[in-house]
Amino acid sequence: GAGVSQSPSNKVTEKGKDVELRCDPISGHTALYWYRQSLGQGLEFLIYFQGNSAPDKSGLPSDRFSAERTGGSVSTLTIQRTQQEDSAVYLCASSLGDRWSGNTIYFGEGSWLTVV
Amino acid sequence: GNSVTQMEGPVTLSEEAFLTINCTYTATGYPSLFWYVQYPGEGLQLLLKATKADDKGSNKGFEATYRKETTSFHLEKGSVQVSDSAVYFCALSDGSSARQLTFGSGTQLTVLP
Repeated sequence: GAGVSQSPSNKVTEKGKDVELRCDPISGHTALYWYRQSLGQGLEFLIYFQGNSAPDKSGLPSDRFSAERTGGSVSTLTIQRTQQEDSAVYLCASSLGDRWSGNTIYFGEGSWLTVV
Repeated sequence: GNSVTQMEGPVTLSEEAFLTINCTYTATGYPSLFWYVQYPGEGLQLLLKATKADDKGSNKGFEATYRKETTSFHLEKGSVQVSDSAVYFCALSDGSSARQLTFGSGTQLTVLP
C-alpha cells in the first residue's frame, strides 16, 4: 500500500485477555519497528526487524510481549494476559533499510489499545 | 546511552507568533537528528531531518540546525498557523548502533486564531 497500515485502529480488551496487533509495512521496506506511546509519555522502542536477521527485542517490556514478522512483510505484535498498564498507542514504522542516515522512517497511524 | 531532552509543553501561541521548541541530545557516535510531527488523530510524520553537523533541515516553514557544539537541534518557525497545532517529537538515531530511534517526550503546540 501507499503507507504503513495498522489494524485494528482501536481495541478495547478486558484485563487478562490476549491481543494481536497487525502491521503491514510499505512494500519493499526491509526494516520494521514497533513503538509504544503511553498517555503523556514519549515513544518507547519495543522491537526491530531487519530482513531475515534476528530481531532486536531489547525494548520489549516483559515476556508477555512478543512479535513476529512473516515472510519479511507483515508483522504481528502479541500481548498476552493484558494489564491496564499496557493501555497505549502501539505504533508500527518501516524504512528501506538499516542504514538510518538518509532513510526516512514512515509510521502508521497506530493501534489504540485500552485495557479495562 | 542515547537520550533526547525536549522543551516541556504544552506551548500555546497566537497565530503568526514565532515558535521555538528546544531539543538537546546525548549520543555516542555521529547521530542523525529528526523532528517528527503528530497531528490530531494521525500517525507520526517526518517533518525534517539533518544527518551531519551544521546541516539545516527545513520543511513547511519549519527549520532546525544540527549544532554539534551545543548538542542541540532546536525547531523554529517564524510565523505559526492554527494548522501547526500538533505534538512535535525530536529524535535521533546513532550511526554506530543504528537500530532504533530515540525520541524525546514530545511537545504539544496549540496555535490560537
